[in-house]
Amino acid sequence: GAVVSQHPSWVICKSGTSVKIECRSLDFQATTMFWYRQFPKQSLMLMATSNEGSKATYEQGVEKDKFLINHASLTLSTLTVTSAHPEDSSFYICSARGGNRWDQPQHFGDGTRLSIL
Amino acid sequence: KNQVEQSPQSLIILEGKNCTLQCNYTVSPFSNLRWYKQDTGRGPVSLTIMTFSENTKSNGRYTATLDADTKQSSLHITASQLSDSASYICVVTRNNDMRFGAGTRLTVKP
Repeated sequence: GAVVSQHPSWVICKSGTSVKIECRSLDFQATTMFWYRQFPKQSLMLMATSNEGSKATYEQGVEKDKFLINHASLTLSTLTVTSAHPEDSSFYICSARGGNRWDQPQHFGDGTRLSIL
Repeated sequence: KNQVEQSPQSLIILEGKNCTLQCNYTVSPFSNLRWYKQDTGRGPVSLTIMTFSENTKSNGRYTATLDADTKQSSLHITASQLSDSASYICVVTRNNDMRFGAGTRLTVKP
């Protein structure tokens, strides 16, 4: 089946550091990629949706200058958390879809646990 | 208020037993409903997907039901195994908008 690889799986860094998370679709072309954040015992919260070659669409309340998303190719999207602070500590998950239609399946990566000291 | 409510919040059962997880939603109009399994520290994995015209969908020991009139879905797990311990998330889609439930944390004990 379709595989989405997320890297790194775990990051611990100091406050003020910028952190880049990669999301790759390994065996299909991901026209659309999604980035989620999940706090303990809570549901996934959509942060942004990105289509290859265009700017990401951010959900209300998500700072686009804080969370930089790049979807430069059909197999790679990156999320950069700029000047990370302890409150940015969370589980970040990406998902990828092979088209723009809502009924096409989304395949999730295994997530990145970000801990800011 | 979340448009997708799941119950119970957590559940502990003995290995080999059956269990049923509930999902009530108010999302409208409704496109499809999915159940995902999320192991701790991993991404969600799709179990079933149903459109409004489908009443039931099975995937091995997992059977999902849907009542679009009452806006309720359930996920039934038969003959539970230790590996079933995970969070089960109900996701309701309206056009391109996916609404996630908070999940039910299932623990299967030997």
